Amino acid sequence: NAGVTQTPKFRVLKTGQSMTLLCAQDMNHEYMYWYRQDPGMGLRLIHYSVGEGTTAKGEVPDGYNVSRLKKQNFLLGLESAAPSQTSVYFCASSRSGQETQYFGPGTRLLVL
Amino acid sequence: AQTVTQSQPEMSVQEAETVTLSCTYDTSESNYYLFWYKQPPSRQMILVIRQEAYKQQNATENRFSVNFQKAAKSFSLKISDSQLGDTAMYFCAFMKTGSARQLTFGSGTQLTVLP
Repeated sequence: NAGVTQTPKFRVLKTGQSMTLLCAQDMNHEYMYWYRQDPGMGLRLIHYSVGEGTTAKGEVPDGYNVSRLKKQNFLLGLESAAPSQTSVYFCASSRSGQETQYFGPGTRLLVL
Repeated sequence: AQTVTQSQPEMSVQEAETVTLSCTYDTSESNYYLFWYKQPPSRQMILVIRQEAYKQQNATENRFSVNFQKAAKSFSLKISDSQLGDTAMYFCAFMKTGSARQLTFGSGTQLTVLP
């Protein structure tokens, strides 16, 4: 049981490039989340999904898009990366009706 | 909107001693959950303890316990018999009940356990 996995672990982008971060969970959880963590701050919610085919905006959604085509996967896209998107990105999942979120190991993204 | 405040950016404690990390929050909700997460240097987010707001009894998990003061909107974490492996960033987090179960995090407290 791998839990929540994230791909890639680390990536360097140039300003204006695009990329997709992949989150996968094998716990059959309904809910999935994307957070970003910046120095001196806690995690902030970017987007979330309460089920396959549904997504919603969180606290800091600008510059990001997401898709949940399969229940086990939640993709986070950056269409045109900016230096302000340099951060560590965490994915999490939880079961419907349960409050505990399980986190992936994080993806460190550097935008030059 | 909810806010979570951790006013201690850094703390240190001697091994085997007890330390308390502070957290306050602001909300108009009556039903919610509170959490403490631990983030060691590996960056993995690990759930330490959680508290349901409707429960008056403070949660306890082995060496970790909380002091939940609902009226004061305070949620502190006490770590007893501190161990070197407790060295980590600790985040307090709030979740209101209802759909989506979104977490709102504080800015964290870096705890260092000294040998």
